[in-house]
Amino acid sequence: RKEVEQDPGPFNVPEGATVAFNCTYSNSASQSFFWYRQDCRKEPKLLMSVYSSGNEDGRFTAQLNRASQYISLLIRDSKLSDSATYLCVVNYFSGGYQKVTFGTGTKLQVIP
Amino acid sequence: GAVVSQHPSWVICKSGTSVKIECRSLDFQATTMFWYRQFPKQSLMLMATSNEGSKATYEQGVEKDKFLINHASLTLSTLTVTSAHPEDSSFYICSARDLIAGLQETQYFGPGTRLLVL
Repeated sequence: RKEVEQDPGPFNVPEGATVAFNCTYSNSASQSFFWYRQDCRKEPKLLMSVYSSGNEDGRFTAQLNRASQYISLLIRDSKLSDSATYLCVVNYFSGGYQKVTFGTGTKLQVIP
Repeated sequence: GAVVSQHPSWVICKSGTSVKIECRSLDFQATTMFWYRQFPKQSLMLMATSNEGSKATYEQGVEKDKFLINHASLTLSTLTVTSAHPEDSSFYICSARDLIAGLQETQYFGPGTRLLVL
C-alpha cells in the first residue's frame, strides 16, 4: 500500500460545480497535512494546511479524518483557474527527522 | 509568503558531465531543505533531506554518491548531479522549511530546474 494515495483523475467539472478530492495515508502517526496546487510544468504552491478541526479559505474547505486516515479538499463554485493538479502532503516527524510524502496528485479540469 | 530561488532554471548538458543546482531561501533561514525530482506526469519524489551543517539524509534508492548535496549555510543548499546520464533528465525542485515555524510549518518551493542530459 502506498503511503499516500490519491485518485489521479482527471476530474472534469463544469464551471460553478462543487468538487471534492480525498487523500488517504497509511501512517497513523502522521502529524501534519497540507494541500498543494501544481500547475503544469510549475513548482507546487501551498494551497492550505489541514487542521484537525477542519478549515476553510474562501471556496476551499479542507478536512482531516484521523480515524479513517484521510484528508479531503472541497472546492465550491469552481473557476476555470482552478484547473490544476492538487497534491496532498503528509508529514511525519520522528527523532528530529521529518519525512515528507506527496500523493501522486489529482488532476482537475474545469470546463467552461 | 517566503521566497525560494533555484538556479539555473534550465540545464542542457552532455552525458557524463556534472551539473550543480543551487537552492536559496531569500527572506528566511532554513535549517532544512528538501530535494525532489519529478518525471513527466508523475508526482514529486523526495530524493533527500538536507540539514544545515550535517550530512543529507537520502531516500531509499537514491544514490548519495551520484547526487551530492551540500547545505553549507542556512540559506543555501546545492545538489550536484555527478556524471549525468539521459535517465537523470528530470525536473528537480527544492523546498525549504522556515526555521521559525512550528510543527505545522510549510515548505516553500523553488521554481525548479529542468535538466536535460543528451
